[in-house]
Amino acid sequence: DAGITQSPRYKITETGRQVTLMCHQTWSHSYMFWYRQDLGHGLRLIYYSAAADITDKGEVPDGYVVSRSKTENFPLTLESATRSQTSVYFCASNGGGAGDTQYFGPGTRLTVL
Amino acid sequence: AQSVTQPDIHITVSEGASLELRCNYSYGATPYLFWYVQSPGQGLQLLLKYFSGDTLVQGIKGFEAEFKRSQSSFNLRKPSVHWSDAAEYFCAVVSSGGYNKLIFGAGTRLAVHP
Repeated sequence: DAGITQSPRYKITETGRQVTLMCHQTWSHSYMFWYRQDLGHGLRLIYYSAAADITDKGEVPDGYVVSRSKTENFPLTLESATRSQTSVYFCASNGGGAGDTQYFGPGTRLTVL
Repeated sequence: AQSVTQPDIHITVSEGASLELRCNYSYGATPYLFWYVQSPGQGLQLLLKYFSGDTLVQGIKGFEAEFKRSQSSFNLRKPSVHWSDAAEYFCAVVSSGGYNKLIFGAGTRLAVHP
């Protein structure tokens, strides 16, 4: 089915481990985004990408790494997970036109013990 | 810096009552504004958006929002709330930094009493 998917949906890991969250979209959208959702903060932008091989930092990038070798995929890696990275992570995409709607994936709930 | 403020963290209404969720933004030029809804355990779904034209915008599920430049507001309204509207609602503005990055408010959680 067309859309934007994330995997895994739930993940429990330990402090110091590396974790990769996957995001895949089938619309060939140019722009892709990673947000984290925390109580009282709404959603905050971690990283974004304007096209394959073009990425940039958002508001809260520390501790995260992204890559985008293919237009449809935008994985997010926590190189050494910390408890403060316990959160719900949302991937999103849009076509790149001014005011285009941003479409969100279902989210990944990550717990770092 | 740009920001979005949703003054109400929690709102409770009775089913059938009217609803207004407040949103204020800071942005110099004409903003692109969005309202999203998040049901428990789900992703975000677009309710409506504004970027030009008529300041009263109609969305899905019977929601509407009015852009008021003089008040820097984009309040969401519904004339009669249904129990299924219980969810969290987020207001967002497109960042002036380009790339359609969104700046979100902290959200308003809506509870509906039968």
